[in-house]
Amino acid sequence: QVQLQESGPGLVKPSQTLSLTCTVSGGSINSEAYHWSWVRQPAGKGLEWIGRIYSGGSTIYNPSLESRVSISVDTSKNQLSLTLGAVTAADTAVYYCARDVVVVKRLLEHNWFDPWGQGTQVTVSS
Amino acid sequence: DIQMTQSPSSLSASVGDRVTITCQASQDITNYLNWYQQRPGKAPKVLIYDASNLETGVPSRFSGSGSGTDFTFTISSLQPEDIATYYCQQYESPPLTFGGGTKVEIK
Repeated sequence: QVQLQESGPGLVKPSQTLSLTCTVSGGSINSEAYHWSWVRQPAGKGLEWIGRIYSGGSTIYNPSLESRVSISVDTSKNQLSLTLGAVTAADTAVYYCARDVVVVKRLLEHNWFDPWGQGTQVTVSS
Repeated sequence: DIQMTQSPSSLSASVGDRVTITCQASQDITNYLNWYQQRPGKAPKVLIYDASNLETGVPSRFSGSGSGTDFTFTISSLQPEDIATYYCQQYESPPLTFGGGTKVEIK
């Protein structure tokens, strides 16, 4: 049973860089069967996809965050990382990592998020 | 970006009632649509993938249908443990986007 656990500072000052880690246990992060994503959720609001790292190592980001975000994988530690620069109060949210299940049918890729980490609260405040 | 419009934003129903949530995409997403359940204080959990496929281990009272731009999620007989917010999510093209959510409460 794969489990994901986010970790990182709960408080970040405005204009600084937010750095989070997601540790994967019970399975390898280095599998062609999966991509890995970050999703965030401000308190009382909906879900916003931040970006994805593909099994091959390439990345894709939400254009709304693309200039500030980076996602990477450390296969030796079985960890996924997120960095978000120049944060403001609008970046205050619960941040989730999620495994992107990949199923190919008739050459087309199908995806869904499963499982998710429990989430980590990040507050941007001075 | 593909906009996902869910309705209603909240509903209250009795145990045993049939509950229906709709999700409309701003453009054709074929069947690239997933449904998630988020219980209070918890992470989301996938219930339905590819519009109508029930994830392993998910009770059969949950179902999904639709294609193109219009999708429906149904709970055939609402149970107390179904209190949650439900989200649709498209993956036809990035950025992946979610509906605004439907909060389901027990009357």
